[in-house]
Amino acid sequence: GAGVSQSPRYKVTKRGQDVTLRCDPISSHATLYWYQQALGQGPEFLTYFNYEAQPDKSGLPSDRFSAERPEGSISTLTIQRTEQRDSAMYRCASSSTQGDTIYFGEGSWLTVV
Amino acid sequence: AQSVTQLGSHVSVSEGALVLLRCNYSSSVPPYLFWYVQYPNQGLQLLLKYTSAATLVKGINGFEAEFKKSETSFHLTKPSAHMSDAAEYFCAVSDFGNEKLTFGTGTRLTIIP
Repeated sequence: GAGVSQSPRYKVTKRGQDVTLRCDPISSHATLYWYQQALGQGPEFLTYFNYEAQPDKSGLPSDRFSAERPEGSISTLTIQRTEQRDSAMYRCASSSTQGDTIYFGEGSWLTVV
Repeated sequence: AQSVTQLGSHVSVSEGALVLLRCNYSSSVPPYLFWYVQYPNQGLQLLLKYTSAATLVKGINGFEAEFKKSETSFHLTKPSAHMSDAAEYFCAVSDFGNEKLTFGTGTRLTIIP
């Protein structure tokens, strides 16, 4: 695609429910990143992929968070048993290779009530 | 560990005046430094980046930033503010490139007509 596309743009869910966010990176971009941004804060690194490999998931806050990129293109971020503290914007980004310019999507706003 | 401090969560300047957004970083190795901008309802967009070449980096839309190792700073400037510069600006640091950016908390720039 022309840019990084994320869906849904806005999601309201009840505490305890599972949520899956989707990211469609720029076509042919090998590297894909997920960041979490709480209100009033800067984005914080969660994890990244090189194609389908996930070399670093050190930023995932707990084992309730997981990410996949099974075919090296589209990625999903799943949060199980959501908690109010999970409320944030989740940003996806991609780059053609590591070290190249990163392009961010518009983000997915998650509100847990 | 890396960190970024952006002084001033809100900055207001008059149209035509100098824009100065401050960023100080902490890094144990020579850093890569970035400025990103977020316009309303858009994703983060790279303004400029420093990767150990020239210390004065020119970016898009007339912005530039100077890497000062002695001051551990990477302040963003623009000689003459335009109404379209109103946005939120984020400074970020990385050790090896882009795979794990550490962001500051952001500075919201308002332009006064």
